[in-house]
Amino acid sequence: QSALTQPPSVSGAPGQTVTISCTGSSSNLGAGYDVHWYQQLPGTAPKVVLYHSDIRPPGVPDRFSGSKSGTSASLAITGLQADDEADYYCQSFDDSLSGTVFGGGTKVTVL
Amino acid sequence: EVQLVQSGGGLVVPGGSLRLSCEGSGVSLTTFNMNWVRQAPGKGLEWVSYIDRSGGRGIVLYADSVRGRFTISRDNGKNSLYLQMNSLRTEDTAVYYCVRENRGFDPWGQGTLVTVSS
Repeated sequence: QSALTQPPSVSGAPGQTVTISCTGSSSNLGAGYDVHWYQQLPGTAPKVVLYHSDIRPPGVPDRFSGSKSGTSASLAITGLQADDEADYYCQSFDDSLSGTVFGGGTKVTVL
Repeated sequence: EVQLVQSGGGLVVPGGSLRLSCEGSGVSLTTFNMNWVRQAPGKGLEWVSYIDRSGGRGIVLYADSVRGRFTISRDNGKNSLYLQMNSLRTEDTAVYYCVRENRGFDPWGQGTLVTVSS
């Protein structure tokens, strides 16, 4: 059981918008710790797509956006494309566990 | 090219030991906090360990699942990070990634597979 909860899967047709939720608690997101989001394509290392909740690194399209409020965060992908199909993970720090925590991951499928 | 180059994985019997290494190439590790993250086959990401930028007398953290068995260390003179893994268990089988803390975790090493099996 992850300290951060994500839906196992979401799907959408090309061009649509999908949103991935990341639900934490008072010891991680609710304590004010940052949330970061990663994309992992099959057979590759994860890559950060959002850091500090909503900042995109160079090269990440503005179709990716994020938000954080209280004990929850979310990642939205608008204008869904075939190459967005991947696993996505949220990440934060947890006081109770004294370490970094990841969500269980969400598989995005483009229909 | 900015990358973290990992080495040291492989097959080991339960109870055995392995040492993983991670060297920065075109990227400095010396002024950044560093982590190890692992991913069991077909599973999600699991944070393993953290060491702050000072190394030696600085802060180190471990996941409950590896505390007392794994030791993280770094050599800033060699721009390198290490993970000494002792008393390995079958459940430690995973791809291990070294990763720098910089605007989230970035960059990630290429990953190295550790297989614990008899």
